[in-house]
Amino acid sequence: DTAVSQTPKYLVTQMGNDKSIKCEQNLGHDTMYWYKQDSKKFLKIMFSYNNKELIINETVPNRFSPKSPDKAHLNLHINSLELGDSAVYFCASSLRQDRFLHFGNGTRLTVT
Amino acid sequence: QQQVKQSPQSLIVQKGGISIINCAYENTAFDYFPWYQQFPGKGPALLIAIRPDVSEKKEGRFTISFNKSAKQFSLHIMDSQPGDSATYFCAALAGANNLFFGTGTRLTVIP
Repeated sequence: DTAVSQTPKYLVTQMGNDKSIKCEQNLGHDTMYWYKQDSKKFLKIMFSYNNKELIINETVPNRFSPKSPDKAHLNLHINSLELGDSAVYFCASSLRQDRFLHFGNGTRLTVT
Repeated sequence: QQQVKQSPQSLIVQKGGISIINCAYENTAFDYFPWYQQFPGKGPALLIAIRPDVSEKKEGRFTISFNKSAKQFSLHIMDSQPGDSATYFCAALAGANNLFFGTGTRLTVIP
């Protein structure tokens, strides 16, 4: 009964490959996010979707494309992976009028 | 540009001591200031939060002190325990749910 679940937990791939990370929440939230945590633990927002509509799109290379098929899912597809994409990616969700973000346990992406 | 500045980067405290983590911000539009706690291999989890119309908020051993005029806020952990060892992030939010996080403080509580 995990609230925000991400798959896979670990992802090791080579430069140039395309990969996807999936996220699902069962909290009934209407807003979902992707955050990137770098090697220094710095957390930065990448995207936010409200009711399947993109509302926040920070300065992220267009190799990153989020997709929200419904309110409970927000997937992240990454094309042409680069070494600098290695990080932990966190999915989160909330109710838009609420201020509390619930995070998943992250996907550790390693690009070799 | 770092919207929220956090210090120290790491902190070592003896069991039973007080842990203090400080944060500062510039954007006066911020109106919600949460603290998140992150254990290794886990996502950040909301610990405690405060609005700028309140100068202090306490929940158990955790207290946020807020100084609106100085644009600073801090987390105090009283009677620190080894189980409190984690990375702590302050954050700030204005309007829509775009949280700006501090750079994190790695707290180690020595038994």
